[in-house]
Amino acid sequence: NAGVTQTPKFQVLKTGQSMTLQCAQDMNHEYMSWYRQDPGMGLRLIHYSVGAGITDQGEVPNGYNVSRSTTEDFPLRLLSAAPSQTSVYFCASRVANYGYTFGSGTRLTVV
Amino acid sequence: AQSVTQPDIHITVSEGASLELRCNYSYGATPYLFWYVQSPGQGLQLLLKYFSGDTLVQGIKGFEAEFKRSQSSFNLRKPSVHWSDAAEYFCAVGARDNNDMRFGAGTRLTVKP
Repeated sequence: NAGVTQTPKFQVLKTGQSMTLQCAQDMNHEYMSWYRQDPGMGLRLIHYSVGAGITDQGEVPNGYNVSRSTTEDFPLRLLSAAPSQTSVYFCASRVANYGYTFGSGTRLTVV
Repeated sequence: AQSVTQPDIHITVSEGASLELRCNYSYGATPYLFWYVQSPGQGLQLLLKYFSGDTLVQGIKGFEAEFKRSQSSFNLRKPSVHWSDAAEYFCAVGARDNNDMRFGAGTRLTVKP
């Protein structure tokens, strides 16, 4: 049972490049979310989903897209990377009435 | 939307001493409340949660938290801290009817020998 798997673990992008951060969970969890973690700011919610085909915006959605075509996968797309998107990104999943299971994170640097 | 404030950025306690980490939330209805712990370079691990019922909840690793509606607080406590408890702790508040969960900025705990 792998839990929540995020790939890649590390990534360096040039400004303007696009990329997709992958997230997969094998626990059949309904709810999935993407957060970014920056020093002194805790975790900020980017996008979330309550099931396949349903997504919504969180606190800081600009510059990011998501889709949820299956229960297992919830990729995060950076459309045109900017230095302000340098951060650690966490994917998380849960079932109703329970807390999150987090992935191990993706450390992204935009130069 | 809901929000969370953790007033203490950094706390230092001696090993064996008691610990209390503060958390205040803002939410119009009865919230879901959580505490998570993050060790350096790791993801977050759930310590405990409150949904309803008994306002004193027990979690893993000997932690407990008390929900006080009148104070909009959900403080985390531990009677005797161990060196392995050094980490960053995050309080989070969620809404009952969606997946919009917000985190505080975190409190970093240092444990002195």
